[in-house]
Amino acid sequence: GESVGLHLPTLSVQEGDNSIINCAYSNSASDYFIWYKQESGKGPQFIIDIRSNMDKRQGQRVTVLLNKTVKHLSLQIAATQPGDSAVYFCAENNAGNMLTFGGGTRLMVKP
Amino acid sequence: DTGVSQNPRHKITKRGQNVTFRCDPISEHNRLYWYRQTLGQGPEFLTYFQNEAQLEKSRLLSDRFSAERPKGSFSTLEIQRTEQGDSAMYLCASSSWLGKETQYFGPGTRLLVL
Repeated sequence: GESVGLHLPTLSVQEGDNSIINCAYSNSASDYFIWYKQESGKGPQFIIDIRSNMDKRQGQRVTVLLNKTVKHLSLQIAATQPGDSAVYFCAENNAGNMLTFGGGTRLMVKP
Repeated sequence: DTGVSQNPRHKITKRGQNVTFRCDPISEHNRLYWYRQTLGQGPEFLTYFQNEAQLEKSRLLSDRFSAERPKGSFSTLEIQRTEQGDSAMYLCASSSWLGKETQYFGPGTRLLVL
């Protein structure tokens, strides 16, 4: 399959370890944030979201942390699996209806 | 499969030709979005519909681009007089009308302009 991103920051982790992917967002007025996973040749897949009135939200094996003071978002993946290998994007939604995406991070899981 | 679908999945065309892409959103979603993604970048917003009304358009959407959603269900994105710089993945997403609901993406249409 074709590559989603050729020159993205890459995080390489061992299978079973925890992964942390970071994202800085730009608009202090943004009040809704989403993490997407994108595999090669596919569209972005929703992972987890968080609203600005929360600092933390947990899903299955994933946790999103929001620090509005420094405009920082992180995605934590517990017990990373080979199937987690993909490019991960954070996206912010402010007053409009468009999503503004960050640059993406490639996660590589070593067996 | 009740997700967002897009057709075709791949399109190769010669510079100067017109192309049209189709998006079928999740059936109960009344909001539909078009994004463009180039290699190594995140998706960039192009335009947005609520039902059949086109409510927002990005400055990226030049006059060669036109999008329609005539019956508030499927949408088409047409690019006239394609240029090599139009080569990209064109992504469609949909969401429900309740506040800032999550946008769910389709698989995209990969366009290559020769």
